[in-house]
Amino acid sequence: KAGVTQTPRYLIKTRGQQVTLSCSPISGHRSVSWYQQTPGQGLQFLFEYFSETQRNKGNFPGRFSGRQFSNSRSEMNVSTLELGDSALYLCASSYTAGATNEKLFFGSGTQLSVL
Amino acid sequence: SQQGEEDPQALSIQEGENATMNCSYKTSINNLQWYRQNSGRGLVHLILIRSNEREKHSGRLRVTLDTSKKSSSLLITASRAADTASYFCATPGSARQLTFGSGTQLTVLP
Repeated sequence: KAGVTQTPRYLIKTRGQQVTLSCSPISGHRSVSWYQQTPGQGLQFLFEYFSETQRNKGNFPGRFSGRQFSNSRSEMNVSTLELGDSALYLCASSYTAGATNEKLFFGSGTQLSVL
Repeated sequence: SQQGEEDPQALSIQEGENATMNCSYKTSINNLQWYRQNSGRGLVHLILIRSNEREKHSGRLRVTLDTSKKSSSLLITASRAADTASYFCATPGSARQLTFGSGTQLTVLP
């Protein structure tokens, strides 16, 4: 069974640009969660999608958005990039929504650098 | 906000030694998970322990949970260089998502 796939692996953007990251969950998983990881703030929850609907959202500005397609693949978008958006963005999949009692399967992440 | 806090922040040991890292959390939980992350990669689930369990084993891993002290520990026995990674505890957050601690960076020297 293929794992969680995130593309691209690395991305370099400049301030003010926008970026779209992609995540393909494990086959059969319908929930995709996104996390931002920085040295200063650690792992911060962005949002979760299940059956094409956003189920949970973390404390991030509206510049961060996402969506999920009918095949459970998910994308997240960051508009008007700021230097502080430089981070490793991780997505994780699971069978159910709000699955705090089951393990998450993580992708390798997208390393975003904003110059 | 982070629910769990790992201690120590960094740990360096020799191959073959045991490594112990601790996690403290603030609110009542029904389970706690441990994850490992190799540098710049995604997290890998290690073990989940439920609130009615006090100890759980998986291979060279031993996890304990003390709900009265709101703490958990992860013991890795007979460490190998390949165990070098960051280790995170994760607890259910208020918004039905996992909240991760700040992590312990483990270095196992050959």
